[in-house]
Amino acid sequence: DSGVTQTPKHLITATGQRVTLRCSPRSGDLSVYWYQQSLDQGLQFLIQYYNGEERAKGNILERFSAQQFPDLHSELNLSSLELGDSALYFCASSASGTGNYGYTFGSGTRLTVV
Amino acid sequence: EDQVTQSPEALRLQEGESSSLNCSYTVSGLRGLFWYRQDPGKGPEFLFTLYSAGEEKEKERLKATLTKKESFLHITAPKPEDSATYLCAVRILNAGNNRKLIWGLGTSLAVNP
Repeated sequence: DSGVTQTPKHLITATGQRVTLRCSPRSGDLSVYWYQQSLDQGLQFLIQYYNGEERAKGNILERFSAQQFPDLHSELNLSSLELGDSALYFCASSASGTGNYGYTFGSGTRLTVV
Repeated sequence: EDQVTQSPEALRLQEGESSSLNCSYTVSGLRGLFWYRQDPGKGPEFLFTLYSAGEEKEKERLKATLTKKESFLHITAPKPEDSATYLCAVRILNAGNNRKLIWGLGTSLAVNP
């Protein structure tokens, strides 16, 4: 157990729907990062939050949004889902905003859009 | 264009057969190179950070080295439990002066008993 908790582990939904993925960072970590992983594109950075504030944005689609709450847990909202959104979504956390000592990843949420 | 390339894509070794995985990069302004291990169905697990050419880090049977253009992950006398995908990521400063990680696609390592 890495200390980063992601729920749900698996999600199957239809095209056009909206889902919410949840992440609880490791105790004491202030930064949360969201990643998408597919077989052909590898890990793609989506967005980072640090202590409740957006810190960096990657290749996140406009249909996707995220937030970090006062208790530091984070949610990733995916809407108007398309077949191509099927992927593993990982959350990672780090103590600082820089990630100099690496990130701690959760086990991921496998999203299947049918 | 900033790019990270890992080779080989897949590697099969016999237990005890040492080898190296390669991570080559073409980026402007390296701010660290990271190695992770990923087991099937799990998130990546942090192994090493390297910052400057000539730097080396070791952990059990793994040793990571860094030059100005590439990094190697040397695996000495591997065991079946070393089977995993090894990911390399390079951190740079983007146009907005923010840190950005660029990930390679990984090397899938299988160690046969």
